[in-house]
Amino acid sequence: DVKVTQSSRYLVKRTGEKVFLECVQDMDHENMFWYRQDPGLGLRLIYFSYDVKMKEKGDIPEGYSVSREKKERFSLILESASTNQTSMYLCASSLPRGLHTGELFFGEGSRLTVL
Amino acid sequence: KNEVEQSPQNLTAQEGEFITINCSYSVGISALHWLQQHPGGGIVSLFMLSSGKKKHGRLIATINIQEKHSSLHITASHPRDSAVYICAVRGSNYKLTFGKGTLLTVNP
Repeated sequence: DVKVTQSSRYLVKRTGEKVFLECVQDMDHENMFWYRQDPGLGLRLIYFSYDVKMKEKGDIPEGYSVSREKKERFSLILESASTNQTSMYLCASSLPRGLHTGELFFGEGSRLTVL
Repeated sequence: KNEVEQSPQNLTAQEGEFITINCSYSVGISALHWLQQHPGGGIVSLFMLSSGKKKHGRLIATINIQEKHSSLHITASHPRDSAVYICAVRGSNYKLTFGKGTLLTVNP
């Protein structure tokens, strides 16, 4: 069974703290994504990685960075958490565009509250 | 930038009813996804379409490329179908544009 695992389902952090959100997939997928989901706004892409050590900014990268040192792991980093980063964070992976699926596989989500 | 509109935003049905959720987009696409999100957060991919129609169990997805429109149908709806259904479209690159979702509640 394919699996995308996010390290924490619920986190509570204080303003200014450094936050790491980890995502691991066991499907040997090249593409990995970090989204945030907010009421009324839907899912918005923060960062995308199409290979190890490769990354591209999504629609809302400000305040975030990412790391992809191994193919299976994609980390989202909040260098200095702020209250407006309180949100649900979703990781996803997929095969590259052009292969027969392109289907997205999502993790269970990490609900971050910044106080 | 592609604009994705879903309708309705909220839908309440009785168990057994036939349900249709609609998705319209503004710019040509390479693929359209239907996703399901249950309370608690996890998202499951239901379908990926580039043309025609796909069926999986009680779920049917159709797409009309010329009209830039897709529908998700649920036959013989059940309370366990209660979830948020999200439409997402892919353009010429990796990026998806998501609709805001349709909250479906099926009452027993």
